[in-house]
Amino acid sequence: QSVLTQPPSVSAAPGQKVTISCSGSSFNIGNNYVSWYQQIPGTAPKLLIYDNNKRPSGIPDRFSGSKSGTSGTLGITGLQPGDEADYYCGSWDSSLSAGVFGGGTKLTVL
Amino acid sequence: QVQLVESGGGLVKPGGSLRLSCAASGFTFSDYYMNWVRQSPGKGLEWVAYITRNGETIYYADSVGGRFTVSRDNAKNSLYLQMNTLRVEDTAVYFCARSMYYYDSSAIDYWGQGTLVTVSS
Repeated sequence: QSVLTQPPSVSAAPGQKVTISCSGSSFNIGNNYVSWYQQIPGTAPKLLIYDNNKRPSGIPDRFSGSKSGTSGTLGITGLQPGDEADYYCGSWDSSLSAGVFGGGTKLTVL
Repeated sequence: QVQLVESGGGLVKPGGSLRLSCAASGFTFSDYYMNWVRQSPGKGLEWVAYITRNGETIYYADSVGGRFTVSRDNAKNSLYLQMNTLRVEDTAVYFCARSMYYYDSSAIDYWGQGTLVTVSS
């Protein structure tokens, strides 16, 4: 059971928009930053969003992040077949003194 | 460019030990917090540990505390993970990963390709 809760899967058609939620608590997301990662099976994760809503250089603005209370959200617009991957949220849990990840969400572009 | 290259993975029996290494290049290693993150076959990411720049502070996941030890050698630009009393459930790909900033909830901005550890009799 992951500390952060994500839906197991989401799907949408090419060109559409999708959002992925990440639910936590006051010990983690509520008082710490959220980050988001994309992982294509068999490869290392890639940072998409840091500090709740910032994009590293090279990440297209089709990817966005937000945070409200104890939840974070990743948004992806203009879906492309290459966006099919697993997406993970991450944060720090101050009560555990440990890094935490969500269980991952598999995105299918129909 | 930033490179993180893990080594030392392999097959080990339950109760055995293994030491993973991570060779860093392309950045000033001593300026960054470093992490180990693992991923069991077909499962999600699990944070294992992180170590601050000079090794003065180290945190571990409860699942590995007391069995795993993380260390670093800034002169050799290297990160290590000593894994003792290994269990079948420790089977995973282990990633060496760099924290972006100097705070606990910093994102991880670079990841190695990982090294597979298999614990089986």
